Amino acid sequence: QLQLQESGPGLVKPSETLSLTCSVSGASVSSDNYYWGWFRQPPGKGLEWIGNIYNSGNTYYSPSLKSRVTISGDTSKNQFSLKLISVTAADTAVYYCAKASGYGLTDYWGQGSLVTVSS
Amino acid sequence: IVMTQSPDSLTVSLGERATIDCKSSQSVLYNSNNKNYLAWYQQKPGQPPKLLIYWASLRESGVPDRFSGSGSGTDFTLTISSLQAEDVAVYYCQQYYSTPQEITFGGGTKVEIK
Repeated sequence: QLQLQESGPGLVKPSETLSLTCSVSGASVSSDNYYWGWFRQPPGKGLEWIGNIYNSGNTYYSPSLKSRVTISGDTSKNQFSLKLISVTAADTAVYYCAKASGYGLTDYWGQGSLVTVSS
Repeated sequence: IVMTQSPDSLTVSLGERATIDCKSSQSVLYNSNNKNYLAWYQQKPGQPPKLLIYWASLRESGVPDRFSGSGSGTDFTLTISSLQAEDVAVYYCQQYYSTPQEITFGGGTKVEIK
């Protein structure tokens, strides 16, 4: 049974860095059969793709966030992580990690982690 | 690829049909395998999205058969044939044609009971 679990601070100050980790069980983040990704959803709004990591090293980012985002993988812990720099209140959202198939279909999601940007 | 859903919200009586449309700004049909890279998700409050339909018309395992997807190219539809109380949720279409460089969602359709 594949499971994903987000972890990280629930409160980040403006201008600082948001950091989240996704722990994966039931599949390997180093597999070249899957993509591992991050999404977010501001309160009361729709879903937004942030970026993907593939084969532990190849990364792809949303053009609107590319200048502030880094996604990385840790195969020894079977985790992948999100860093978003210079955050503002507009980055307040529930952040989801997810797995996609080799075709790109997002088929497994974590439960989500609410991150609030506030001083 | 921009995904546009309509309507934004929908109020339907129990047992009646609900229909949600999704339009992509370019075709999500991959000619080499004749597959539409289009999925539908259901999201209830406080929960992550749940995959309902993939390849535009295939139901995910365990999804009731009152949910169906149709369409090809740029125009797609999610139909709930007989709305049940547990179907109250927000529904999103998503294109994965341009994965891994881009994944985009429609704005969502909120389905409520009349």
